[in-house]
Amino acid sequence: DTAVSQTPKYLVTQMGNDKSIKCEQNLGHDTMYWYKQDSKKFLKIMFSYNNKELIINETVPNRFSPKSPDKAHLNLHINSLELGDSAVYFCASSRSDRVKYNEQFFGPGTRLTVL
Amino acid sequence: DQQVKQNSPSLSVQEGRISILNCDYTNSMFDYFLWYKKYPAEGPTFLISISSIKDKNEDGRFTVFLNKSAKHLSLHIVPSQPGDSAVYFCAATHSGTYKYIFGTGTRLKVLA
Repeated sequence: DTAVSQTPKYLVTQMGNDKSIKCEQNLGHDTMYWYKQDSKKFLKIMFSYNNKELIINETVPNRFSPKSPDKAHLNLHINSLELGDSAVYFCASSRSDRVKYNEQFFGPGTRLTVL
Repeated sequence: DQQVKQNSPSLSVQEGRISILNCDYTNSMFDYFLWYKKYPAEGPTFLISISSIKDKNEDGRFTVFLNKSAKHLSLHIVPSQPGDSAVYFCAATHSGTYKYIFGTGTRLKVLA
């Protein structure tokens, strides 16, 4: 009964490859996020989708393309992987109540290592 | 430009004592603040939050204090327990955005 799940948990790949990370939430939330935690431990938002619509797109290289097939899923596809893409990627979800703020629920993270 | 800062990368406290974790922010537009706790190989989990209309919020052993004039918040854990050993992140956001800005975290170690 995992709330926010990500696959895979670990991903080791060569530079130049294309890879995807999948995220699913069973909390009934309508907003989902991708965060990147780099070697300096910054947890930085990359993208956010609300009801399958992109609402946040930080200055992320266009090699990164999020896709939300439905409200429960937000996948991250990365083309032409570079060494600097090595990081832990966290998926999160939250309700989007206009009246109050809502905390985010995070997945366990995907550790991506680019060799 | 780091809008949310946690200047202490680590903190060690004896079991039973108070743990105080600090967080500073620069953006005066922020009006909601959260603390998350993270164990190794897991995602952050929500701990406690505070709105800018309050200066204190308490939940069991956890209390968050907000000083808007100083743009500073702190998390107090009393009494500290070994199971509290984790990395603690503060985060901030403001109305009209889904964007949460996180600090770099403080690693708390509670010594038995």
